Amino acid sequence: DAGITQSPRHKVTETGTPVTLRCHQTENHRYMYWYRQDPGHGLRLIHYSYGVKDTDKGEVSDGYSVSRSKTEDFLLTLESATSSQTSVYFCAISGGGGGTGELFFGEGSRLTVL
Amino acid sequence: GQQVMQIPQYQHVQEGEDFTTYCNSSTTLSNIQWYKQRPGGHPVFLIQLVKSGEVKKQKRLTFQFGEAKKNSSLHITATQTTDVGTYFCAGTGNQFYFGTGTSLTVIP
Repeated sequence: DAGITQSPRHKVTETGTPVTLRCHQTENHRYMYWYRQDPGHGLRLIHYSYGVKDTDKGEVSDGYSVSRSKTEDFLLTLESATSSQTSVYFCAISGGGGGTGELFFGEGSRLTVL
Repeated sequence: GQQVMQIPQYQHVQEGEDFTTYCNSSTTLSNIQWYKQRPGGHPVFLIQLVKSGEVKKQKRLTFQFGEAKKNSSLHITATQTTDVGTYFCAGTGNQFYFGTGTSLTVIP
């Protein structure tokens, strides 16, 4: 498996609190992605990064921000968590961008917002 | 935005029966990829199709890319219990656009 670790793997928090999920890779891949997975919706792209300090929005970016200060780390922040953000979050990396190259996924972070 | 639809959402089959999932895009895709996610796991890459009309096989799995590069299918021959999971297609334009997935249950 590709060297991707997500933390925390599980988190329960309350509405209105900030939450940060971390994705760490050891593959030196340029492209990193954050997806959320919900029943009936498949995997939806939140934000992605194509290099250090280079990020862009995905299809469901409202309420989320990201940062990438180092190649190996991609952080996803929920500024003020809401119950609708209860989900499983997956980080993915790819050596090729623009939809090329395979995606390698992390193990996922299960977030519950009460 | 680009949409990738996948059907069926769920499929229950007896072990040994065949299984097919279909993926349709509203726009022409550059490539299409297929992923498998075991229950409780993360998606794992299976294959990528690039050419119009392309067909690829992996043992009991057959993948097809439509002539217009707007649809694709995954066919599993003689399913086994190890095939259980959710199968996702991902159309690629400038990014990866995932279908909603097909959850396969194999009844022994």
